[in-house]
Amino acid sequence: LAKTTQPISMDSYEGQEVNITCSHNNIATNDYITWYQQFPSQGPRFIIQGYKTKVTNEVASLFIPADRKSSTLSLPRVSLSDTAVYYCLVGDRLAGNTGKLIFGQGTTLQVKP
Amino acid sequence: NAGVMQNPRHLVRRRGQEARLRCSPMKGHSHVYWYRQLPEEGLKFMVYLQKENIIDESGMPKERFSAEFPKEGPSILRIQQVVRGDSAAYFCASSPPNSQPGQNAWSQYFGPGTRLLVL
Repeated sequence: LAKTTQPISMDSYEGQEVNITCSHNNIATNDYITWYQQFPSQGPRFIIQGYKTKVTNEVASLFIPADRKSSTLSLPRVSLSDTAVYYCLVGDRLAGNTGKLIFGQGTTLQVKP
Repeated sequence: NAGVMQNPRHLVRRRGQEARLRCSPMKGHSHVYWYRQLPEEGLKFMVYLQKENIIDESGMPKERFSAEFPKEGPSILRIQQVVRGDSAAYFCASSPPNSQPGQNAWSQYFGPGTRLLVL
């Protein structure tokens, strides 16, 4: 599984757009990029997954450049309830069957009023 | 459709005692995973089980830790002779049987965790 690097922490204010970038220089051809969100005292929750270009759902957007060596999770108009740790994971889309999700340190997002 | 359930949510043990953590996967899910999260750290994979089988235990400490997922009942993570370093949050996740085309393979659904405190 490719190693990922993301900022340890970020601060933002309510109503702003937040972009969290993840570097994954050694991403393999079959690898997908997946983001999880973890609130304090809760288990991680799947946010979004993509392979290339742009993916959007009701929660976030994921931007992946052509070389796929990085990706950016975009959270539009954050609120206080978006304060959480965000994890970027990279691996074979079918790796879920092998069970081993590898979490890094994640990015702690603090949204201020 | 209930999510992944874990109990107890909080567990306090004294050094040398045993800790048993239970996980009931989502309905229809036959794969169970255990992760450990130490304070201020990310989650670390421990073990992956299917019914009555351990598929991958590469993240399990060699001693004192064991896991099972019997044909009937919840998955159990057992820690014998606990030490203070075992204090952590233990998360269980489950996923459906092998992915079908178009299904999100990273479909591990996490429970709320069990917070173990060893005194």
